[in-house]
Amino acid sequence: EPEVTQTPSHQVTQMGQEVILRCVPISNHLYFYWYRQILGQKVEFLVSFYNNEISEKSEIFDDQFSVERPDGSNFTLKIRSTKLEDSAMYFCATTGQEGTGELFFGEGSRLTVL
Amino acid sequence: GENVEQHPSTLSVQEGDSAVIKCTYSDSASNYFPWYKQELGKRPQLIIDIRSNVGEKKDQRIAVTLNKTAKHLSLHITETQPEDSAVYFCAARDTTSGTYKYIFGTGTRLKVLA
Repeated sequence: EPEVTQTPSHQVTQMGQEVILRCVPISNHLYFYWYRQILGQKVEFLVSFYNNEISEKSEIFDDQFSVERPDGSNFTLKIRSTKLEDSAMYFCATTGQEGTGELFFGEGSRLTVL
Repeated sequence: GENVEQHPSTLSVQEGDSAVIKCTYSDSASNYFPWYKQELGKRPQLIIDIRSNVGEKKDQRIAVTLNKTAKHLSLHITETQPEDSAVYFCAARDTTSGTYKYIFGTGTRLKVLA
């Protein structure tokens, strides 16, 4: 069964450093998302991406965050200058061509900011 | 924007008993409602979903009901087993706005006591 894959599974970084989280979507999916889950809390929407551009972003997704699809396969989330409160699990998720239906999650990237 | 509330936040049941988790959503344009199960340290996994043109859906021990007028959903798990212990999230998606954004509820931690 096709899967969304994410790397790294865990990253530890110092406050103020840049972090890039990578996702490989399911090959025929066109709608991509990043979600964040602080430990013990709900899954929060960050950004949606379709047709090589952001379709919507939440208030969490401020100027420190950016997304891109640099090579037609990877989908990346960059945090320019990490803060302590950015520590969380970041999930990449995708849906199929219709843009409706099941949201497939990757395994997540745990970010720890010290 | 869409807001999804979920309760209870925690639920303990004896093995074999039923569990009921409730959600309310705010956006009447939402027309697709997935439920996810998340085990500790794992990604959310879809367990059942329902579209707004259907009032009830069942899959083995799991059933979901939708009251569109009240903007209310319920997840029913019958004959609970210890492996049902996890956090359950409802979600709502507005598939008509073009943003295809999923908003998750606050989660319910289910403990099934053996």
